[in-house]
Amino acid sequence: EIVLTQSPGTLSLSPGERATLSCRASQSVSRYLAWYQQRPGQAPRLLVSGASTRATGIPDRYSGSGSGTDFTLTISRLEPEDLAVYYCQQYSNSVTFGGGTKVEIK
Amino acid sequence: EVQLVESGGDWRQPGRSLRVSCVASGFNFGSYAMHWVRQVPGKGLEWVSGITWNSDNKAYADSVKGRFTVSRDNANNSLYLEMNSLRAEDTAIYFCVKDQFGSAWNYFDYWGQGTLVTVSS
Repeated sequence: EIVLTQSPGTLSLSPGERATLSCRASQSVSRYLAWYQQRPGQAPRLLVSGASTRATGIPDRYSGSGSGTDFTLTISRLEPEDLAVYYCQQYSNSVTFGGGTKVEIK
Repeated sequence: EVQLVESGGDWRQPGRSLRVSCVASGFNFGSYAMHWVRQVPGKGLEWVSGITWNSDNKAYADSVKGRFTVSRDNANNSLYLEMNSLRAEDTAIYFCVKDQFGSAWNYFDYWGQGTLVTVSS
């Protein structure tokens, strides 16, 4: 099973700041990696697929990068609505999720 | 508009069975793989099971293999998860999830709101 490790566990930033979230895979997943946002009380929502392709309707403040084992989700200018837990998911070999990064807005 | 509506979540004692369902609308259900993903309230996401568009391929997480069975009815746009020999650790919100493609496993572009399954004595 491919294990995804997300860091940090919690990120606390002010509006307008840049958030950098990391996802590391235990073995290469090529670019078969997606990111999801889960706001409080809601179901997860797809943000990025193929490591860097934004889903329909996702603002360009969100960007994904990486390949192989190291991936990053960047939120360029934090807004209050970005308060959420963010999960990475690999679909190279079956499906597994990372443990999540919680983004708090100061 | 794509909609995935789960139902059937309930309370069961350990060792008992439960079936949860999902009705889909707003897309050609029979063309896409579907999945169940669960989440213990306040915790992370766990993929449970997936089924290809024509039911030829089904897969399960090790934690539920041999106890859970996924199925679908394309004529009625429905997805099911039959859960047997339930354990306390199966307690979670179960999400019905649409795959981006029909075969194999990919990323998930639509999620339902979930149905809560509670297993306790």
